[in-house]
Amino acid sequence: DIQLTQSPSFLSASVGDRVTITCRASQGISSYLAWYQQKPGIAPKLLIYAASTLQSGVPSRFSGSGSGTEFTLTISSLQPEDFATYYCQHLNTYPPTFGGGTKVEIK
Amino acid sequence: EVQLVESGGGLVQPGGSLRLSCAASGFTFSDHYMDWVRQAPGKGLEWVARIRNRANSYTIEYAASVKGRFTISRDNSQNSLFLQMNSLTTEDTAVYYCAKANGYDWRAFDYWGQGTLVTVSS
Repeated sequence: DIQLTQSPSFLSASVGDRVTITCRASQGISSYLAWYQQKPGIAPKLLIYAASTLQSGVPSRFSGSGSGTEFTLTISSLQPEDFATYYCQHLNTYPPTFGGGTKVEIK
Repeated sequence: EVQLVESGGGLVQPGGSLRLSCAASGFTFSDHYMDWVRQAPGKGLEWVARIRNRANSYTIEYAASVKGRFTISRDNSQNSLFLQMNSLTTEDTAVYYCAKANGYDWRAFDYWGQGTLVTVSS
């Protein structure tokens, strides 16, 4: 199985900060990577698919980049509603797997 | 508006069985791949199973951890997705989400249900 390693696993940031989360794949996955946001007790929400395509309705402060084995999710200006856990996910081959998550908390 | 509503979770003893259902609306159900994804308490996300669409003959994939014990199925006439879970162990305790795969490339999950909790315990 392809392993996805997210870093950091936890970050503390302030409203207005630029935040970058990294996801590294154990082997190349082309651009078959998605990013999700999850708040406590709520289902994940798709933010980005195909590494850099913004899901409809997602604010433009979210962006994704990368291909192959290294990917990033960037929040250009952190808003109060962005404090959550973020997961990357691939489906290059079966099984699809998720990264371990990055929890973004208020500094 | 796309809606996915899971049901069927609950408390079951190790070795027992449970059948989860997911009622879908707001999209052409038979045209889409559908998945189950689970999340153990306080843990990350784990993909469980997929059933493809009519165009791809409803073929199925399973995670190794559930293959041979779980069965995914769908009833397009009822816009419903199912997960039959047998030989349950404590490791299967999780919130189970029904998820719709995006129609762009089927490689991401663009809508999720609210989840149903399965607790395996004696």
